[in-house]
Amino acid sequence: GDSVTQMEGPVTLSEEAFLTINCTYTATGYPSLFWYVQYPGEGLQLLLKATKADDKGSNKGFEATYRKETTSFHLEKGSVQVSDSAVYFCALNGGGSNYKLTFGKGTLLTVNP
Amino acid sequence: GAVVSQHPSRVICKSGTSVKIECRSLDFQATTMFWYRQFPKQSLMLMATSNEGSKATYEQGVEKDKFLINHASLTLSTLTVTSAHPEDSSFYICSARNPGQNTGELFFGEGSRLTVL
Repeated sequence: GDSVTQMEGPVTLSEEAFLTINCTYTATGYPSLFWYVQYPGEGLQLLLKATKADDKGSNKGFEATYRKETTSFHLEKGSVQVSDSAVYFCALNGGGSNYKLTFGKGTLLTVNP
Repeated sequence: GAVVSQHPSRVICKSGTSVKIECRSLDFQATTMFWYRQFPKQSLMLMATSNEGSKATYEQGVEKDKFLINHASLTLSTLTVTSAHPEDSSFYICSARNPGQNTGELFFGEGSRLTVL
């Protein structure tokens, strides 16, 4: 079945540092890939997405490129801010009629001033 | 963008009572909604898929009689935790698919924190 493996945290960075959170997946079809962000005490918000190979999703300075050859969708940001402190989830939708999302376990990011 | 709203955001109840959590899609009709439970250390567990007008599909290991799901309209799904116990304390999150979009994206509610005393 489909699965998502993402870098386990927690990750602690200083403000303006470079961020990478690794995510790899296994899927039988041609999945769509997502990064969701969860701020403390809140639900999940879509951060970015990519629906086919070589697509790059980007939002709020974050980027991730859909790499079919390495089955990866790593999240990057060149300069993190304190306000980026949150839990980040990598997810995939393998297609089909049920539209279930398969999530990674989440990575807690803390950015210190 | 599409909006999904949950209510209540926080609820505290006594052991043995039942609690209902509502999930509404505010600007689209959702034939399918999903209920998740989030455990400490942030792990998300899919509990069930809620289908409008039919019975919910529960994931393996989730008690149907314990977690009642009703999807009576295209904009509302409810999760009722029956005879709640302290071990049911958790953060419950719903999500919905917008049939008008074909990207596989789900829209999430704000979550409901349940504390059972």
